[in-house]
Amino acid sequence: EPEVTQTPSHQVTQMGQEVILRCVPISNHLYFYWYRQILGQKVEFLVSFYNNEISEKSEIFDDQFSVERPDGSNFTLKIRSTKLEDSAMYFCASNNRGNQPQHFGDGTRLSIL
Amino acid sequence: AQTVTQSQPEMSVQEAETVTLSCTYDTSENNYYLFWYKQPPSRQMILVIRQEAYKQQNATENRFSVNFQKAAKSFSLKISDSQLGDTAMYFCAFSASYTGTASKLTFGTGTRLQVTL
Repeated sequence: EPEVTQTPSHQVTQMGQEVILRCVPISNHLYFYWYRQILGQKVEFLVSFYNNEISEKSEIFDDQFSVERPDGSNFTLKIRSTKLEDSAMYFCASNNRGNQPQHFGDGTRLSIL
Repeated sequence: AQTVTQSQPEMSVQEAETVTLSCTYDTSENNYYLFWYKQPPSRQMILVIRQEAYKQQNATENRFSVNFQKAAKSFSLKISDSQLGDTAMYFCAFSASYTGTASKLTFGTGTRLQVTL
């Protein structure tokens, strides 16, 4: 069964550094999402992306965050200047129609030192 | 905006027994979907079951079934014949039903389920 893949599985970065989290959605999917889960808390929506543009973003997704689909397969989340509070698990998800179940990757654990 | 509430932070059930996890939600949308996702210690997010709001029949998936009460905005998950592998965090989630655009998931705070021998 096709899967959403995320790399790296764990990223350790110094505060203030830029980080790029990578995702390869399922190939025939058109809608892409990023979510964040701070340890011990619920999963929070960050941003959705369709047709090469952001569909919706949450209040968490401020100017430090950006998303990009640089080619036909990758979907990236960039945090420009990381803060301690950005430490979390970041999940990428995709679906082939906006109202269909989202398939999640295994997540990237981001640790900011 | 929609909200999802899970009032049971932790639950425990013995192997082979049945357990019900509660979820309530609030929305002004008429068409929407409800989901239960499972997150084992490995922290993957695994879809357990989905319910379409316009369908009155409760969804079932093997040992997993839901009790969907639209008027009460309630969406509980029943796990029958519990197995050790069911030990996980369970998240209830809501998605509006939009066609032609992305629909975000709004999650509850989760219920940690422990299945014991």
